[in-house]
Parts: sequence; structure tokens; C-alpha cells
Amino acid sequence: DQQVKQNSPSLSVQEGRISILNCDYTNSMFDYFLWYKKYPAEGPTFLISISSIKDKNEDGRFTVFLNKSAKHLSLHIVPSQPGDSAVYFCAASDGANAGNMLTFGGGTRLMVKP
Amino acid sequence: DVKVTQSSRYLVKRTGEKVFLECVQDMDHENMFWYRQDPGLGLRLIYFSYDVKMKEKGDIPEGYSVSREKKERFSLILESASTNQTSMYLCASSRPPNQPQHFGDGTRLSIL
Repeated sequence: DQQVKQNSPSLSVQEGRISILNCDYTNSMFDYFLWYKKYPAEGPTFLISISSIKDKNEDGRFTVFLNKSAKHLSLHIVPSQPGDSAVYFCAASDGANAGNMLTFGGGTRLMVKP
Repeated sequence: DVKVTQSSRYLVKRTGEKVFLECVQDMDHENMFWYRQDPGLGLRLIYFSYDVKMKEKGDIPEGYSVSREKKERFSLILESASTNQTSMYLCASSRPPNQPQHFGDGTRLSIL
């Protein structure tokens, strides 16, 4: 049973428009959430995170929103650029666990068309 | 910048072989992790270690073991490789608490 789900395996967006990537989780103990970006033949790179005490965190073109009551988070990219084309993984952590284990979603492939 | 280095980018092995995947990090991180990535399944945790000689099972430890004799090095061992272990293997490290994990570029392992 996947505790973190990304229900859209792929998303296509025009350059300059907004990209919205969604993620749902089921474990109410998760209190820290992250987004990673992965290009082919490279490891995932950390993008942005949010603690459960916040509902929004912004870093440049990237904003993550957290809705705890709905157990839902989303990543907004504005404006989208062709270089943003990659697979995006959301991940969640239960702060009480040793070693900061992360549970990952299945990923969403974003394609930004020029 | 954190550097996590995996010894091989591509590896081809035969069924039944013992396979070693090596990972080294240069930032003195306490935590190290091994994942496998399969299409549609995201990254699944195999094992992690929060200190030298310490190891904990992740979600899918069956058929794997690990070794951490030095803080900077974390090895994944496939005791007797099988075709269902063909996958992308990713190593990561982090400093607790709640610091993002930093990943290596992965090893694409094919078991024939």
C-alpha cells in the first residue's frame, strides 16, 4: 500500500505557463515533505521542502503548498521552462523515525514544450 | 557541495553471482541509504545506516545485505543475484535531523 501517491504519471505544459504537480499521502504521522527533481542518468536533486507547521514555502519559481486536512501537497512552477522537463518525486518523512527515512511517490514526468 | 559517488554507472551480472555496489560520500554525513528505482514505483528504500556498523532494514530488504565499516562508505550486496533485481540503484546520504538527502548518479544494474 503506497503511503505517498502521485496520481499523474505525466504532465505536459507550454513554456511560460504554470506547472502544478500533485501528491497525496495517507500517513498522518508525516510531518516533513520534500520535492526532488530527476533528470535521466542522474540522481535525484533536492528542490524544495516544507514542514507540517507551514502551509506554503516559496523558493524562486518554485512554491510548495501543503493541505494537512486533505493530506495533499502540490508543487507549482511559474513560469515553466524547458529545462524543468524532468521526473519529479514527492517524498515524506516521519520526524520520529531514526535516520530520516523518506517515503517516495511514484514520480510525475513533466514535459515543458517550447 | 555534497558529493555522493557510486562506483559504477552500469553493471551487467549473471544470475546467482554475488554483486557489490559501492557508495562513498565526502561530507561526513551520519546517514546513508540505498534505494532502488523502478518505473511507476518511485524510489523504494532497501537499507539505511545511521552510524558506522549500524544498519536498518527498509521496505524491501529481501535478497540484499549492506556493510558500513567506515563512515563515508556504504556498500550494498546482492547475495545471489536474480533477474528481478535488475533495476536502477541509488545511494544517498544526509545529516540528521531532517536535512535533505543527497543522491549519487545511480548504478543501472542488469542481471542476465
